[in-house]
Amino acid sequence: GAGVSQSPRYKVAKRGQDVALRCDPISGHVSLFWYQQALGQGPEFLTYFQNEAQLDKSGLPSDRFFAERPEGSVSTLKIQRTQQEDSAVYLCASSLSWQTTSSGANVLTFGAGSRLTVL
Amino acid sequence: AQKVTQAQTEISVVEKEDVTLDCVYETRDTTYYLFWYKQPPSGELVFLIRRNSFDEQNEISGRYSWNFQKSTSSFNFTITASQVVDSAVYFCALDGANNLFFGTGTRLTVIP
Repeated sequence: GAGVSQSPRYKVAKRGQDVALRCDPISGHVSLFWYQQALGQGPEFLTYFQNEAQLDKSGLPSDRFFAERPEGSVSTLKIQRTQQEDSAVYLCASSLSWQTTSSGANVLTFGAGSRLTVL
Repeated sequence: AQKVTQAQTEISVVEKEDVTLDCVYETRDTTYYLFWYKQPPSGELVFLIRRNSFDEQNEISGRYSWNFQKSTSSFNFTITASQVVDSAVYFCALDGANNLFFGTGTRLTVIP
């Protein structure tokens, strides 16, 4: 597609529920990133995929967070047993290929985000 | 570890004033990239500029200009003749091995 598409845009969950957030990157973009943005803060890195391989998940805050990209395109971020501190905007971004140094390879294009509110 | 500091939390200016957003970074890498992104109220981060650490030339794009000074580890962003549409949160970012490290952002409000 023309841009990075995320769904749902807004999600309200009761504490303890599981949620799944979807990201559809730009066609042909090899690298995909998930970020968490708390209110009034900058985006914080969660995890990074190169094609279907999850190369870095060092930013995932707990084992309740899980991300996958099984076919190297669409990605899903799943949060199990949601807690109030999980409330944030979850941003997905894609780039041509983070691993190369070609022009624009490490320029991230972001989606509009999924705002999660846990009650 | 990479670190980006944006000391200005919020700035308000009157339309047509010039405004400079500060960014200071820390890295041990000898080669790195710096970025500025804009986040309007709609929430989507919009890429503005990428600068390689080897290129210290200042860059101008319309009303936007960027001043990169390696000696002070700064990459400041100036908007000339600000407009209401410039109101947004601006983020400075630094690349790492596997991702971008963002500052906490500066909220710019341009008053008509």
